Amino acid sequence: KAGVTQTPRYLIKTRGQQVTLSCSPISGHRSVSWYQQTPGQGLQFLFEYFSETQRNKGNFPGRFSGRQFSNSRSEMNVSTLELGDSALYLCASSGEGYPQETQYFGPGTRLLVL
Amino acid sequence: GQQVMQIPQYQHVQEGEDFTTYCNSSTTLSNIQWYKQRPGGHPVFLIQLVKSGEVKKQKRLTFQFGEAKKNSSLHITATQTTDVGTYFCAGGTEGSNYKLTFGKGTLLTVNP
Repeated sequence: KAGVTQTPRYLIKTRGQQVTLSCSPISGHRSVSWYQQTPGQGLQFLFEYFSETQRNKGNFPGRFSGRQFSNSRSEMNVSTLELGDSALYLCASSGEGYPQETQYFGPGTRLLVL
Repeated sequence: GQQVMQIPQYQHVQEGEDFTTYCNSSTTLSNIQWYKQRPGGHPVFLIQLVKSGEVKKQKRLTFQFGEAKKNSSLHITATQTTDVGTYFCAGGTEGSNYKLTFGKGTLLTVNP
């Protein structure tokens, strides 16, 4: 099976712009989670989608949003970008979405905000 | 909210030495997962522990889950240069609103 894919891999934006990141989970996986990784804060949970519904949400401002499509592909949007949004954004998919499922991470999208 | 603390933040060892990273949660966990992230890579799942006091081994790696299900450790025996990377623990909350909280990771470097 193909792994989790994320596009684009690298992105440079300026403050105030918005950005959309895409994640395609492993075939058959219905749960997609998004994380922000920075050197100072480590891996921080953004949100999780399961069957097109947001099931869990981390402590990020409303500028961060996401959605999931019927084919389980997910997108994450960040509006009004700030310098502090520069990070590696990782998505992870898991199987049936039951608790305690293994998370399979994609390669990430590295976002730089200037 | 749930917090997962991981220590040490960094560890540098000589090849052949042992290495241990510790994970502590502020609340009782339903499970704990361990991941490894190589430099420039993404986290890769290593193992999951679910039962109180559980111990699992993968070759030179030994994982433990505390009796109270609030702490865990990863021990590597006789490190090799291929062990270099950041090791993360991730604790799952109990109850219906399951959420995985990652520790900040321990960066292991190995001097050949």
